[in-house]
Amino acid sequence: EAGVAQSPRYKIIEKRQSVAFWCNPISGHATLYWYQQILGQGPKLLIQFQNNGVVDDSQLPKDRFSAERLKGVDSTLKIQPAKLEDSAVYLCASSRGNSMGEKLFFGSGTQLSVL
Amino acid sequence: QKEVEQDPGPLSVPEGAIVSLNCTYSNSAFQYFMWYRQYSRKGPELLMYTYSSGNKEDGRFTAQVDKSSKYISLFIRDSQPSDSATYLCAMTSYTGNQFYFGTGTSLTVIP
Repeated sequence: EAGVAQSPRYKIIEKRQSVAFWCNPISGHATLYWYQQILGQGPKLLIQFQNNGVVDDSQLPKDRFSAERLKGVDSTLKIQPAKLEDSAVYLCASSRGNSMGEKLFFGSGTQLSVL
Repeated sequence: QKEVEQDPGPLSVPEGAIVSLNCTYSNSAFQYFMWYRQYSRKGPELLMYTYSSGNKEDGRFTAQVDKSSKYISLFIRDSQPSDSATYLCAMTSYTGNQFYFGTGTSLTVIP
């Protein structure tokens, strides 16, 4: 079974630039998550999709972050404009979404450095 | 109070030692408990998955859940240098698909 795919693996940008990350979840997984992980901390949920609908985006800084999941499969996360404090690893994860004993599977992440 | 608390470490042990990693939580609705291993510059990898109280063993790894104390542990026997990583605990409730993470414990196993 193929895992969660993410790209790019690394991205270096200057502050005020924009950046986009892509995620392809495990086939058949209805729920997709974007997490932000700052060095030395646990993952922080940014947004959660169930199919192509948003379940939770309460911690997404909506003035600069946006995400979409067209057709309920792939997803993109965008930051515009980026700030220095956005430097982190952005993790995509997916789960089956049937709400019974969910298991969460992560991609390798995109390491973002904002200079 | 945070939903999940985890000792941050760092923890450094000699090869062959028994390692104990721990998390506490506050929400009694949590029923499913996970341990993830995260190597440097990689995404978290699901290591152990348990339901409710009790123990689960997988090779050198044992996950233990004590729901009465709201305390979970991961034991690593005969630790190896390849076990050097950050270990994250995570949990979720019976009906939810929201996951709550600890901050991670950094482990180094010295040859």
